[in-house]
Amino acid sequence: AQTVTQSQPEMSVQEAETVTLSCTYDTSESDYYLFWYKQPPSRQMILVIRQEAYKQQNATENRFSVNFQKAAKSFSLKISDSQLGDAAMYFCAYRIYNTDKLIFGTGTRLQVFP
Amino acid sequence: DAGVIQSPRHEVTEMGQEVTLRCKPISGHNSLFWYRQTMMRGLELLIYFNNNVPIDDSGMPEDRFSAKMPNASFSTLKIQPSEPRDSAVYFCASALGGGRSPLHFGNGTRLTVT
Repeated sequence: AQTVTQSQPEMSVQEAETVTLSCTYDTSESDYYLFWYKQPPSRQMILVIRQEAYKQQNATENRFSVNFQKAAKSFSLKISDSQLGDAAMYFCAYRIYNTDKLIFGTGTRLQVFP
Repeated sequence: DAGVIQSPRHEVTEMGQEVTLRCKPISGHNSLFWYRQTMMRGLELLIYFNNNVPIDDSGMPEDRFSAKMPNASFSTLKIQPSEPRDSAVYFCASALGGGRSPLHFGNGTRLTVT
């Protein structure tokens, strides 16, 4: 069975600095998708970034980028120039290619200090 | 695009009562998901539908839980009878099926069973 592990329950960063959130997953599949979702205190789940496993190039979305290491089954999220509004729970998620089932990690709470 | 709409936003009920949570997916999306979020277990997939048909209900905790999708624009999750351990935030999400598109989440229903 596929599993997603986020080993950092909490992280903190100062405004304008860079922080990296870790995620590892376990799968025997070769094709799949990976996602990072953000959940602010409003509890809305917001898609931050996604990565297709067949693409070697790391995905980027403005200040957010990933370091995708397929062989190591690692998918970390880097947030550059952190802002106060980045404070939230961040969830890593895995999805098998051609299925709709999304499996989440346990989340990392990110605090941003001014 | 109004997004995924869930109602009610909060629900407080007494143990033994029937609870019905409602969801309207994004128009055109043909996959719908019900997730439950708790501190102890994180985000768990309860059930998902594709083209109004339940595909995987292996996450439904027990027979007290049931979900229906009578048409493409409406789904319900019912708990009967409710128990205090059902207290959680319940999310509905929708997506274009096929495993390529991200899930779009509603704002969730916070259920408290006393």
